[in-house]
This record gives sequence, structure tokens and C-alpha cells, in this order.
Amino acid sequence: QVQLQQSGTELVKPASSVKISCKSSGHIFTINYMHWIRQQPGNGLEWIGWIYPGSGKSKYNQKFDGKATLTADKSSSTAYMQLSSLTSEDSAVYFCASTVATSFAYWGQGTLVTVSS
Amino acid sequence: DTVLTQSPALAVSPGERVTISCRASESVSTGVHWYQQKPGQQPKLLIYGASNLKSGFPARFSGSGSGTDFTLTIDPVEADDTATYFCQQSWNDPWTFGGGTKLELK
Repeated sequence: QVQLQQSGTELVKPASSVKISCKSSGHIFTINYMHWIRQQPGNGLEWIGWIYPGSGKSKYNQKFDGKATLTADKSSSTAYMQLSSLTSEDSAVYFCASTVATSFAYWGQGTLVTVSS
Repeated sequence: DTVLTQSPALAVSPGERVTISCRASESVSTGVHWYQQKPGQQPKLLIYGASNLKSGFPARFSGSGSGTDFTLTIDPVEADDTATYFCQQSWNDPWTFGGGTKLELK
């Protein structure tokens, strides 16, 4: 059974960066696209981008280009997302999700990022 | 970007039939998927490819549509179906989600 385990809650200061992780198990990490999705308080869902761990290739929603950087460590089957130049607008729950074809079949439990001084 | 429009909320009684709509601003073929999200949880894939039911969900749930108009139907609704339902399209770049429909039971 595929499981995605995300890192814990982050409280960070404005203008700083944060890196959150998503550890995958139960499937072949290198051949499954890993996506990241943002859910702001009371708001809907926004697709940030994907990384293909086998090659390291990534693609971003233009809205998040420059804000998010996706990486993956094949040795530990872990995907990472770094968010930079944080503002209060970046406060949200961030999910990793793995696709089957083009639907988000498996989701992490979410990581809450709060940006506050 | 492709905008997906959903009604924000619905309230129905247990045993009734409910339809949740999702309208796309441009054609997305059958590249629409539906998710169920309960408070404090991650979304769960419910319907993929517009009409395919994800294993583990009961046949009370069904999806239909193509092009720009899509529907999620629950018949009959049960108390445990209280949740927010999101549609998502994967046909056009960037992938986008609807704003979600919060389903409440009377």
C-alpha cells in the first residue's frame, strides 16, 4: 500500500525559507510523479508542480515559479519542497500527492506552514 | 488557466439524491477527477477520468460528463458523506481545482 509521510508543522518568519519533506513507501519511488499542492485556510486547492524522481525533472505552475523548488532523494525515497521568501500569503497546508495516470491517487497527510513574526 | 466552477454548498437529507456540478471555462475532455475531503484530512480520490469510481468507495457515488460540464452524483446520500467535494482537471496546463462544494446533511 502506497503511503506518503510528510514532515511536521512549521512556524517560520517572514522572508525566510522552509523545506518540507514527503517520504514515500509501498511503490517504486523513481517511476511515479510526485506533486505538491497548496491549500490556504478556507480556500481551495492549488497545484504547485511535480517532480519525476527518476530523472529529477520538475515542472512548476507558473504562479509558483521562483517560490517553490522541488527536489527528490532516490536513496531515501523522499521528495522535498523548499519555499523561499516567505510571506503571510504562504501560510497554508501543503500536500504531496502521487499520481496514477493524471489523478492524485495518493496523498500525504499535509504539512501546515505558518509564516509569522 | 482553466477555471472550474462549483456551487459552494449544498444541504440535503439522508436518503436523497444529490448532484454536484463542476463547469470548466474551456474544454477538458474527460480529464476531470473528483475528491472527497473531510475536516482535518487530506483529500481522497473518489472519481477519476470523469466517470471511474475509485476502489473502496461505494457504488452510491458516480460521475459523468465531458467537455465543460461534469457531475458528481451521490444516490442515496448517507450521513458519512458530509464533506467537501473538489473537482480537478488534468487536461490543460496548469492543472486546476474547483473551489469545492461543501455537502451538509439536514
